[in-house]
This record gives sequence, C-alpha cells and structure tokens, in this order.
Amino acid sequence: GIQVEQSPPDLILQEGANSTLRCNFSDSVNNLQWFHQNPWGQLINLFYIPSGTKQNGRLSATTVATERYSLLYISSSQTTDSGVYFCAVLGTRSGGGADGLTFGKGTHLIIQP
Amino acid sequence: DTGVSQNPRHKITKRGQNVTFRCDPISEHNRLYWYRQTLGQGPEFLTYFQNEAQLEKSRLLSDRFSAERPKGSFSTLEIQRTEQGDSAMYLCASSYGSLYPGNQPQHFGDGTRLSIL
Repeated sequence: GIQVEQSPPDLILQEGANSTLRCNFSDSVNNLQWFHQNPWGQLINLFYIPSGTKQNGRLSATTVATERYSLLYISSSQTTDSGVYFCAVLGTRSGGGADGLTFGKGTHLIIQP
Repeated sequence: DTGVSQNPRHKITKRGQNVTFRCDPISEHNRLYWYRQTLGQGPEFLTYFQNEAQLEKSRLLSDRFSAERPKGSFSTLEIQRTEQGDSAMYLCASSYGSLYPGNQPQHFGDGTRLSIL
C-alpha cells in the first residue's frame, strides 16, 4: 500500500516562531488532508489539498503531486498550535484497504510561551 | 452541518465482553469510514460504507469486529470477546462522494476511547 512519511517527528518552538512540516508519499493520490489532533484527541481538518496551494489565516499548505510531497506552514506560532499534525492520503488505486486514508506517524509540535 | 457524532465518548469494559459504538455522519454524506488509533500512532483504516453497502475492509478488521450501516444513515461497530489489544480510540469519518472514493475530504468525529481491563 501507499507509504506516508512525515518530518520532523518532534518540534519544539518558542511562541511567535514559524515552522514547516513535511509529508512525503510513495504513490499518486486522489486525496491529501492535513489534520491537527489536539490534546483532547480531536482531529481537526486543516486542509484538503491533493494539489496546489491554500491558505487559512496563519496556516498554509502546498502539495506538489508530481514530486509526491506536501508542506504545511505555520507562521507566528501560538501555544494553542501545540499538538500532533497528521498528513493523510488516499492513493489512486482502490481495494485492498486502499479506500481509506493512510496516515503518517505525525509531527508532535510543542509551542512554548 | 452538525458534524460527525460518536457515542459513547468513553467505554471501559472487562476483557471478553462485547461492545458496540455508534456513529452518526454528517447528514448529506453518503460515505462513512471507521478508523482505529492506538497511542502514539496515526489512525488506521478499518472499513468503509457507501450508503448501506460495506465496500471495503482492511486486514485489521478481524472476525471479532463487525460493522453495519442500516438504511445508509448511522453506523455501528461491534467488537465481540474484547481483548487487551482492542484498547484504542475508534474514530468515525464521513464524506460525500460520487464516482471516486477520494474526491471529497473526510470529516472526523471526536472518537470513542475504549479501555479493556
């Protein structure tokens, strides 16, 4: 099945800093989503971005589908940005468990005041 | 749009007991997914419904697990004869889609956290 690798696994920053999170995937995709999982375990949709660039406030994301990677940018970090950031993809091949999202292991982000 | 709703939020049970979880998707969504997340890992796909039809099961879904989606609305996930290894967060997601499984984003509920004593 499709493989998803996220980097870095852990990131500790001071409030106000900027960060870039990376997601590499091994095959072509129909769907790519970025999620933020907060300390209560809730998965918050950040972006649906199988290709192109999107921005939402301090967050933006870019997916270069031909090169099989996506980047999540967080600017002017706040303590509420802490949590785990997941990249999840749905490959173009169906069946064999491939109709559900495949998640990376996540980037654990800690923003210190 | 009231979001994906899951009940209960927490379930504690003894090993060997049966448990059932419920998921109510976003009302206009025809696709419903179940995932399992263990500590320190990303969610893993279990199964997927399009309307009332269960179209895909992953190898993680053992014979002790069964999912239903009667009438294509809410869904239930039952685990029979629970084991310690079943302790996890069970997440439900829904999306709207037509021809292609991946052409709309999936929206997740808050999950049911299962603890096996």
